[in-house]
Amino acid sequence: GDSVTQMEGPVTLSEEAFLTINCTYTATGYPSLFWYVQYPGEGLQLLLKATKADDKGSNKGFEATYRKETTSFHLEKGSVQVSDSAVYFCALRRYSGAGSYQLTFGKGTKLSVIP
Amino acid sequence: DAGVIQSPRHEVTEMGQEVTLRCKPISGHDYLFWYRQTMMRGLELLIYFNNNVPIDDSGMPEDRFSAKMPNASFSTLKIQPSEPRDSAVYFCASSLARGGPYNEQFFGPGTRLTVL
Repeated sequence: GDSVTQMEGPVTLSEEAFLTINCTYTATGYPSLFWYVQYPGEGLQLLLKATKADDKGSNKGFEATYRKETTSFHLEKGSVQVSDSAVYFCALRRYSGAGSYQLTFGKGTKLSVIP
Repeated sequence: DAGVIQSPRHEVTEMGQEVTLRCKPISGHDYLFWYRQTMMRGLELLIYFNNNVPIDDSGMPEDRFSAKMPNASFSTLKIQPSEPRDSAVYFCASSLARGGPYNEQFFGPGTRLTVL
């Protein structure tokens, strides 16, 4: 079945440091890939997405490129801020016909940014 | 728009009791999803509906769990009887069907369930 593997956290960075959170996936067909962010006490929010190979999703300074050859969708940001402290989830969504979707989330990576 | 609304936000109950979690999706959304989040297992999809019809309930852990969507604006997830291992945060999410699998899901704030 489909699976998403994220680097385990927690990840602790100083403000303005470079961030990479690795994500690899296994899926049949052509999934869409997503990064969601969860701030403390809240539900998940979509951060960015990519729907086909070589697409780059970007939002709020975060970027991720859909790499089909390496089945990866790594999240990057050039300069993190304290407000980026949250849990980040990599996810894939694959349409399997007749209104049915396969949805798979990674386990999440907790990021803490210190001043 | 108020977003996805879930109630209660917190629930503490004793083992064996019935628990009902409620969700109001965003108006106009065709899909509704129920998730469970725990430290050990991460985020798990339990069941989802399309136009009020359950499409895939393969993630529902046991017969103790049931979900209904009597109309487009309301869904419930019921656990009867509840057990301590059901303690988790339960999220409801909704999305539009138009656009296929590329549409984002909008999550509610979650219900934190503690079964003693």
